[in-house]
Order: sequence, then structure tokens, then C-alpha cells
Amino acid sequence: AQSVTQLGSHVSVSEGALVLLRCNYSSSVPPYLFWYVQYPNQGLQLLLKYTSAATLVKGINGFEAEFKKSETSFHLTKPSAHMSDAAEYFCAVTPGGGGADGLTFGKGTHLIIQP
Amino acid sequence: DTGVSQNPRHKITKRGQNVTFRCDPISEHNRLYWYRQTLGQGPEFLTYFQNEAQLEKSRLLSDRFSAERPKGSFSTLEIQRTEQGDSAMYLCASSLVGGSNSYEQYFGPGTRLTVT
Repeated sequence: AQSVTQLGSHVSVSEGALVLLRCNYSSSVPPYLFWYVQYPNQGLQLLLKYTSAATLVKGINGFEAEFKKSETSFHLTKPSAHMSDAAEYFCAVTPGGGGADGLTFGKGTHLIIQP
Repeated sequence: DTGVSQNPRHKITKRGQNVTFRCDPISEHNRLYWYRQTLGQGPEFLTYFQNEAQLEKSRLLSDRFSAERPKGSFSTLEIQRTEQGDSAMYLCASSLVGGSNSYEQYFGPGTRLTVT
């Protein structure tokens, strides 16, 4: 079984500041990990994924995440926040290697950008 | 490629009524997933199909819920005898297993169900 914990239901940063959204996972097998973003009244959009290749993963809109097995973490970062980054962010996990099974999501982190 | 579409976008129903939602995946995708998202929570996996075969069902999928994917194309999710606790956003996603991006699930906009 797998699970995801996202620390901080709300994160507020100033425009231009570093964005750091935390995700820790639990998985009995090597995991595949994902970050999704959800804008109001819209579906989820994939930001980036880790599928056992490079541990530092770059995604869309300037986001990146680093897989750290020893810390069971997959934190999402962006060097400089933009007002358009305000949204809900979800970390998700699925068992790796066997195919694309159902995702287990965290509860989400609401990112607020202060002008 | 028009993405994953879901209909209706909103549904209001009275408790005890049956409702059916439809999902049209990206045309070449062979896997289709259903999730449920309640306010302030992340999506919860319900079930998925590989072509027309339903391969996995979550414990969340009670016997009042049934999903089908005839001919491996669109899918329907039916809820019988709706309860207020069924009020949620129902999300559909699809993926192409075996392709270069096997693990990428593409989500539709969702159907918001309100049970009164």
C-alpha cells in the first residue's frame, strides 16, 4: 500500500520568492511520483513525474522536484513565484514498474502568492 | 486531440435518485480511470479500465456504484440510490499504457454532483 503526506495545507509566498511544497510518501515497492496542479473549476494538470530515471525532475512552468529515497520525499520547488502559480497542488504516488495503476493523492497544498 | 471530456459538468439530484456520468477519453488511450474528489481533499481512486476490462476497484466503490466501458471507448459511472455523502467532484482520467508516457494520466474537468 502507498500513501502521501503533504505538509502544509496552505503555503503563502511573495511574488518572486522561492516556492517549496513538501511531499513525503510511503510505498512498499519502488514508487512513481507525480505533482499535479489544479486551478479553480478545472481538472488536474500534470506538472512533472518521477519514474526511476533522473532523481531531479524538471517540469512545466519552471517547477522541479527531487526524489530523495533516504528521506522518502519528493518536494516541489520553483525559484521565483509568479502570480499565475496560485493554485492547488497535489502530490501523488503509484507503484512503479508494473504499469499505470490508480494514483494515491495527498490532500493538497493551496499556494497563495502575495503581490 | 481535444483532451478528456466529461458530461455533464454539473448535476443536481435528489437523494434516492440514480445518476449517470459519461467520460470520453483521449482517443488512442487504452486506460481509463475514475476518481472522486470531495471539498478540501485530494482525488480518491475509484476504478480503472484497460480497454473494456475493469481491472481494479477501490473499496470506496460501494455496490451502489457501477462503471462500464463498452467497446473500450467512452465510460459511464452510475450511482444508484444517491446519498448526500455522494456529493463530490467525479474526475475521469486516461492514459496510454505501452507508450512513451505510460504513467501520465490526463484528467478531464470533472462532473460536480450535488445531492439534495
